[in-house]
Amino acid sequence: DAGVIQSPRHEVTEMGQEVTLRCKPISGHDYLFWYRQTMMRGLELLIYFNNNVPIDDSGMPEDRFSAKMPNASFSTLKIQPSEPRDSAVYFCASSLLRGNGYTFGSGTRLTVV
Amino acid sequence: SQQGEEDPQALSIQEGENATMNCSYKTSINNLQWYRQNSGRGLVHLILIRSNEREKHSGRLRVTLDTSKKSSSLLITASRAADTASYFCATVFNYGQNFVFGPGTRLSVLP
Repeated sequence: DAGVIQSPRHEVTEMGQEVTLRCKPISGHDYLFWYRQTMMRGLELLIYFNNNVPIDDSGMPEDRFSAKMPNASFSTLKIQPSEPRDSAVYFCASSLLRGNGYTFGSGTRLTVV
Repeated sequence: SQQGEEDPQALSIQEGENATMNCSYKTSINNLQWYRQNSGRGLVHLILIRSNEREKHSGRLRVTLDTSKKSSSLLITASRAADTASYFCATVFNYGQNFVFGPGTRLSVLP
């Protein structure tokens, strides 16, 4: 397995634009997580899915953020409209069981100017 | 301290020395995990220790867990320059419903 695959690796966009981040989890993993990492706040859980269903989105900062998982092999995190304070590295992770080890993707470094 | 807080924040050692990082937490846990993050990369799962275990080994890694003190330590023996990374502990509680990462320890191994 190629691991958790995220795209793009880097994204630079202007304030107000829509940004879509993509993730392909490891096949067979029932849980998918979206995290945001910044120097100030460290790793923050934004949302997680179980069997494609959003379970906890309490970490999503605002209505500008939305996430979907239309099938077991694909998830998106969308920010619309983007703001400079959204600049961060966004990670997707998947796991077989909640509470066991997570496999992280390489992340998307988002810069909003 | 917050749930899952590493100590020290930063550590610098010479190649060949041992590196010890600690993690303290507040709530009773189901398990505790250690992860490594190289610069510009995602986190990599290193080791998981369950609440009824006291020590685990994996290669040059040794993890201990003291539930009475609510603390864990990660020991890297005979460190190498390639061990330079940030190390995070993650505490799992509420039967896996809560999974919290600490702020991490930045380890620098100097050649």
